[in-house]
Amino acid sequence: DAKTTQPPSMDCAEGRAANLPCNHSTISGNEYVYWYRQIHSQGPQYIIHGLKNNETNEMASLIITEDRKSSTLILPHATLRDTAVYYCIVRIGGTSYGKLTFGQGTILTVHP
Amino acid sequence: NAGVTQTPKFQVLKTGQSMTLQCAQDMNHNSMYWYRQDPGMGLRLIYYSASEGTTDKGEVPNGYNVSRLNKREFSLRLESAAPSQTSVYFCASRGLQRGEQFFGPGTRLTVL
Repeated sequence: DAKTTQPPSMDCAEGRAANLPCNHSTISGNEYVYWYRQIHSQGPQYIIHGLKNNETNEMASLIITEDRKSSTLILPHATLRDTAVYYCIVRIGGTSYGKLTFGQGTILTVHP
Repeated sequence: NAGVTQTPKFQVLKTGQSMTLQCAQDMNHNSMYWYRQDPGMGLRLIYYSASEGTTDKGEVPNGYNVSRLNKREFSLRLESAAPSQTSVYFCASRGLQRGEQFFGPGTRLTVL
């Protein structure tokens, strides 16, 4: 699985968009980008994933660059409850077991 | 749906004691996983089970054993607990359609 690089921490004002970057320059053609978050003391929560097209769901949007070497998770209207550690994970899709390799992630703090 | 459940929520052991962490999912998922998370760290995979009847080692399997009792249940056993096994343990199962993992609430284990 490709390695990812994320900033260790970011701040965001409540109500504004939070844009969390992730670099995955060694990603291969069959690897997906997954985003999870972990709110303090809870189990990680799946947010969104994509292969090469931009994706949107009820929680967030995922923008993947054309060369697929980086991506951005967008929380359009951040709330205090979005304060969490956000993990960008790259892994091969369709594997039989789907192992996730968690890095350090980005600590997002949403301020009032 | 309860999703992924784990018992117990908290446990304190003495060095050398044994215990089993229980995990169950009601989503009819094939793949299940055990992770540990040490303070300030990302999750690390201990063992996984791609399907009922199969188990495989992950990144940090030493000191642990697992049993995939049936499709719903996947237990983690510490035969002789050590202080280095003080951690938060998360169980997860993997969805078939999107491949995302659903995590339980965690078991906080302290070994004295």
